Amino acid sequence: QSALTQPRSVSGSPGQSVTISCTGTRDDVGAYKYVSWYQQLPGKAPKVVIYDVDERPAGVPDRFSGSKSGNTASLTISGLQAEDEASYYCCSFAGGNTHVFGGGTTLTVL
Amino acid sequence: QVQLVQSGAEVKNPGSSVKVSCKASGGTLGNSDFGWIRQAPGHGLEWMGVAIPFVGITNYAQEFQGRLTISADESTNTAYMELRNLRPADTALYLCAHLWGNRVFDIWGQGTLVTVSS
Repeated sequence: QSALTQPRSVSGSPGQSVTISCTGTRDDVGAYKYVSWYQQLPGKAPKVVIYDVDERPAGVPDRFSGSKSGNTASLTISGLQAEDEASYYCCSFAGGNTHVFGGGTTLTVL
Repeated sequence: QVQLVQSGAEVKNPGSSVKVSCKASGGTLGNSDFGWIRQAPGHGLEWMGVAIPFVGITNYAQEFQGRLTISADESTNTAYMELRNLRPADTALYLCAHLWGNRVFDIWGQGTLVTVSS
């Protein structure tokens, strides 16, 4: 199972929007609505910010949104804030009780 | 609010085994599904496997087949991950996470650092 493909880094200024892509295959991202996104601050465990492609858990700001088209899922963070600076990982169900993560994207708030 | 609390850091010799525990506190997760994910220093998240206790299923990533055992003890609300025949490349932070219906890892443990070195 190959890792999902994410850009290694993205950046944006406070108040701007950034989008992180996550490209898989028709056997994982393209096949299921079970794509999730995780925010990981340095030295901390990951925290889910999006699940089921576009659902936001309670407590996650509505600045975070998700979408999917074909084999590519995307996480958009609008109105960037300094506290958003972190690593972000996508994850997809891949059938047969297996999952696959993306390689991770480092977001820098300029 | 349920939290997952993992056992402490381990230092192991190459060729040995490690068993990491992950206990639900502040509530019960019942007969819940658990996943294990690892993160090598400076690297990303790597899915290792899951346990689906209700149907007695475990599933492991190909690269860990034969070396990894994931289990869960419902009576103590604790999940376990045992990795055998350790190599220096297994040095990583090992994370347990509650898996909600194959959809999302919604609750995470704090991680257990396993260092493999002679």
